[in-house]
Amino acid sequence: GNSVTQMEGPVTLSEEAFLTINCTYTATGYPSLFWYVQYPGEGLQLLLKATKADDKGSNKGFEATYRKETTSFHLEKGSVQVSDSAVYFCALNFNKFYFGSGTKLNVKP
Amino acid sequence: DGGITQSPKYLFRKEGQNVTLSCEQNLNHDAMYWYRQDPGQGLRLIYYSQIVNDFQKGDIAEGYSVSREKKESFPLTVTSAQKNPTAFYLCASSKLAGGTDTQYFGPGTRLTVL
Repeated sequence: GNSVTQMEGPVTLSEEAFLTINCTYTATGYPSLFWYVQYPGEGLQLLLKATKADDKGSNKGFEATYRKETTSFHLEKGSVQVSDSAVYFCALNFNKFYFGSGTKLNVKP
Repeated sequence: DGGITQSPKYLFRKEGQNVTLSCEQNLNHDAMYWYRQDPGQGLRLIYYSQIVNDFQKGDIAEGYSVSREKKESFPLTVTSAQKNPTAFYLCASSKLAGGTDTQYFGPGTRLTVL
């Protein structure tokens, strides 16, 4: 079946630190992959996506590369800010959406 | 601006009452979805609709009902049969159902049972 596994949080970093949030998936075909961000009390916002192997999605300094050989879609950012504090969800869509359980990021000044 | 609106943002319900959450989209999307999110948890699919006048149960449909009379609207009713309805409810839509399309989310409705 299809599923998404992402690293458990919370992840706590100092401002300007490097961020990696791991995400791996299992899929019976070739899904699209997504990262969503959720700020407190709000809905999910699409952060970035990739639709095929080796595609790199990027937005607001965040990047993730669709790795078919390792079935991964890890989220990275070179220098986090306090305003990046939120919950991040990895997801795949292959005829149905599957979400990871979310990773809470806390960035301290 | 195109997007998804949900109302109200906060909703309070007494035990034993039904309550309806509104979801409207002006993105001309065919597919719409309802999710439930509990504190510190991921998303669970309640119902989805691929086309007007058609909808399917998701993973946790018991105690909920929906309708899809218009393409733009997909209201969710939380009935008194739902034993633990206090949660954050998210509506989403996508251009097409299935495939590899992107889902877009509304701002959510927080329901509290008093």
